[in-house]
Amino acid sequence: QQPVQSPQAVILREGEDAVINCSSSKALYSVHWYRQKHGEAPVFLMILLKGGEQKGHEKISASFNEKKQQSSLYLTASQLSYSGTYFCGTEISNNQGGKLIFGQGTELSVKP
Amino acid sequence: AAGVIQSPRHLIKEKRETATLKCYPIPRHDTVYWYQQGPGQDPQFLISFYEKMQSDKGSIPDRFSAQQFSDYHSELNMSSLELGDSALYFCASSTFYGYTFGSGTRLTVV
Repeated sequence: QQPVQSPQAVILREGEDAVINCSSSKALYSVHWYRQKHGEAPVFLMILLKGGEQKGHEKISASFNEKKQQSSLYLTASQLSYSGTYFCGTEISNNQGGKLIFGQGTELSVKP
Repeated sequence: AAGVIQSPRHLIKEKRETATLKCYPIPRHDTVYWYQQGPGQDPQFLISFYEKMQSDKGSIPDRFSAQQFSDYHSELNMSSLELGDSALYFCASSTFYGYTFGSGTRLTVV
């Protein structure tokens, strides 16, 4: 079951903040966040495991609410380099060789 | 640091032809995944291998097959190509800490 992301698109001015949400109808083992520039490979940002943890990566952080099967990605003081499409990917188990199912993506544009 | 290597980067084939895409995972990564991404779409899971055995299968057409070899590299074989097969094909390998994607193969079917 594909996770649902919102919003579908965001336009920001440099320095503004944004939140991207990802929700699943299935119980999740983990949530992954990726950023993809046009024509390039998705780049790993962070992984959150069930347990309701929050993680940070410079000005990008994320939370995972296991009970609600929801994750949010927080982008603080956005930079031009943050532009791209953000995907959440979900795993429903930690079985070896399982798969990551991606949401439909959120296109983020940061303007000067 | 070593990354996931895919070849070729670009491939142009005619309808009904066959294509083979190759993937070399990061050393000691035990799982390999194949994804297909159409223009403006999210990556769609095709198939995965764990320790050289197929571990999961997604929306992979019967015309496609894949395998992982003893050196852990993987190949995706695509036969009877259709125009709709034109897409970016990504390979990824993973450990407990997340998935790393290769740069992808852009397949264009004409």
